[in-house]
Amino acid sequence: DGGITQSPKYLFRKEGQNVTLSCEQNLNHDAMYWYRQDPGQGLRLIYYSQIVNDFQKGDIAEGYSVSREKKESFPLTVTSAQKNPTAFYLCASSASGTNEQFFGPGTRLTVL
Amino acid sequence: GEDVEQSLFLSVREGDSSVINCTYTDSSSTYLYWYKQEPGAGLQLLTYIFSNMDMKQDQRLTVLLNKKDKHLSLRIADTQTGDSAIYFCAEERLSGGYNKLIFGAGTRLAVHP
Repeated sequence: DGGITQSPKYLFRKEGQNVTLSCEQNLNHDAMYWYRQDPGQGLRLIYYSQIVNDFQKGDIAEGYSVSREKKESFPLTVTSAQKNPTAFYLCASSASGTNEQFFGPGTRLTVL
Repeated sequence: GEDVEQSLFLSVREGDSSVINCTYTDSSSTYLYWYKQEPGAGLQLLTYIFSNMDMKQDQRLTVLLNKKDKHLSLRIADTQTGDSAIYFCAEERLSGGYNKLIFGAGTRLAVHP
């Protein structure tokens, strides 16, 4: 089955630690995205990548980093510089020429 | 302003129609989307409408677009308990040479017997 997966579903980290969230897709999509969702708010774009080996900052990139070494994978690192990292993180992908985005199930990160 | 706006909460009786409203900001948006999010899950694309259309129907879902007022609505006919979820509208907006999606805060739909 084609789809987009995120792991783990729940993640707990101590303050000051970096943590990497996984996102994999087998839809053969060129574009991938990371969003952050906070209670009562819409999704906010962290980073996006339209093609392998290229990515751009979204609206709230500070304290985050990404890589896009393979078409299928777009991991997100939440660094210790992110002031308020506790949130629900959603990864998405889309085919070239369309903004019809398909979402993964999300990772809930809690920083203690 | 910059925001896509939606009312935060809607409660309907099972079997009735639900209407979820959204206002957006960019009159040049080409596509507008409706997504559904069930508890603890990702977003599921429900439907979308191209900006040159006034209406789109897909089974129980009807999308109405009023470009003049920048108003979008999603009507769910014969609402079922399985329709309980958060519904997000999103507009496609050109920013920095890239068409990105701007999401509203979501409308929580509660369906009761």
